[in-house]
Amino acid sequence: RKEVEQDPGPFNVPEGATVAFNCTYSNSASQSFFWYRQDCRKEPKLLMSVYSSGNEDGRFTAQLNRASQYISLLIRDSKLSDSATYLCVVRRSNQGGKLIFGQGTELSVKP
Amino acid sequence: DAMVIQNPRYQVTQFGKPVTLSCSQTLNHNVMYWYQQKSSQAPKLLFHYYDKDFNNEADTPDNFQSRRPNTSFCFLDIRSPGLGDAAMYLCATSVGSQETQYFGPGTRLLVL
Repeated sequence: RKEVEQDPGPFNVPEGATVAFNCTYSNSASQSFFWYRQDCRKEPKLLMSVYSSGNEDGRFTAQLNRASQYISLLIRDSKLSDSATYLCVVRRSNQGGKLIFGQGTELSVKP
Repeated sequence: DAMVIQNPRYQVTQFGKPVTLSCSQTLNHNVMYWYQQKSSQAPKLLFHYYDKDFNNEADTPDNFQSRRPNTSFCFLDIRSPGLGDAAMYLCATSVGSQETQYFGPGTRLLVL
């Protein structure tokens, strides 16, 4: 079993739709959580960190449930420019802060 | 304005022919990382340097080596590339091991 697992994609949604991505992690030593965005053939870029209390950045809302070892990302009012792969990432408290990436979920927003 | 620079962006090599990928940074960050990302897969950490201290991942093949001659530069050497080594190689940097990692644009390696 992979340490970080995400919803299989791709997600194909119309503009303006709300879409939710789920992620689970198996290592309880995970201490920090992130969502990265990766455009086709480009490098991953940090979208947002995820905090236990939940946090919002514009149209993006991230939630963390430590008890269930579950992370989510909600995108409201999808734009064409949101089309990308979204990577769920955890950082362990040990091993020098190593980042563990999920496989990613591909989002395609259509007109 | 480029902060993490990788050269070349695309590299074609022959099976078994040694190849070196380059990463440089203008951020003066202490930590530099090399990741391998194969098509439709997650980036996978190969190794990282904290200053001059080299940290190899347990499952990184011996075929992969790295050098960090100074703070700004880090190299990935693939001694005998196989077809299975074709991937995107991503360099990242961070101030400390618990801080945000900034990725370079990657080098896409093709092995013929």
